[in-house]
Amino acid sequence: EPEVTQTPSHQVTQMGQEVILRCVPISNHLYFYWYRQILGQKVEFLVSFYNNEISEKSEIFDDQFSVERPDGSNFTLKIRSTKLEDSAMYFCASRVRGTTGYTFGSGTRLTVV
Amino acid sequence: DAKTTQPTSMDCAEGRAANLPCNHSTISGNEYVYWYRQIHSQGPQYIIHGLKNNETNEMASLIITEDRKSSTLILPHATLRDTAVYYCIALNSGGSNYKLTFGKGTLLTVNP
Repeated sequence: EPEVTQTPSHQVTQMGQEVILRCVPISNHLYFYWYRQILGQKVEFLVSFYNNEISEKSEIFDDQFSVERPDGSNFTLKIRSTKLEDSAMYFCASRVRGTTGYTFGSGTRLTVV
Repeated sequence: DAKTTQPTSMDCAEGRAANLPCNHSTISGNEYVYWYRQIHSQGPQYIIHGLKNNETNEMASLIITEDRKSSTLILPHATLRDTAVYYCIALNSGGSNYKLTFGKGTLLTVNP
């Protein structure tokens, strides 16, 4: 069964450093998403991406965040200057079209120290 | 998207059917009901969705009341691996982004 692949599974970074979280969505999917989940809290929407541009973003997705689909296969989330409160599980997801459900990746656990 | 209400937790015996309720009394005509689950710290997993009619797939059945104000997810023969948080989400089909808004969900514990 096709999977959404996320790397790394766990990343530890110093506060103020830049991090790039990587995702390989399912190949024929058209819509791409990033969500995050702070430990013990709800899964929160960050951003949706379609046709090579952001289609919607949440209040969390401020100027420190950016997304890119550089080569037609990878989908990346960059945090320019990490803060302690960015520590969370980050989930990438994709879907094909219509009303079909998402496929989520297994997540990247980001720890900012 | 309409607000959904789910019990905080439920228990089920292994091998028995698990029936997870969801209230969505303010759901509008073009909002689908989606169910996802999250097994501890893993990414959410899509289960099933429906608009008006009952739906069944290899994982579960979805029963939607005629007035669409509530629904029930049925896992016909629950196993220990079905222990997870189950999320019921109402989603507007008119919005092409299909942004999911997760609540706290129902923690289903399947007991041996």
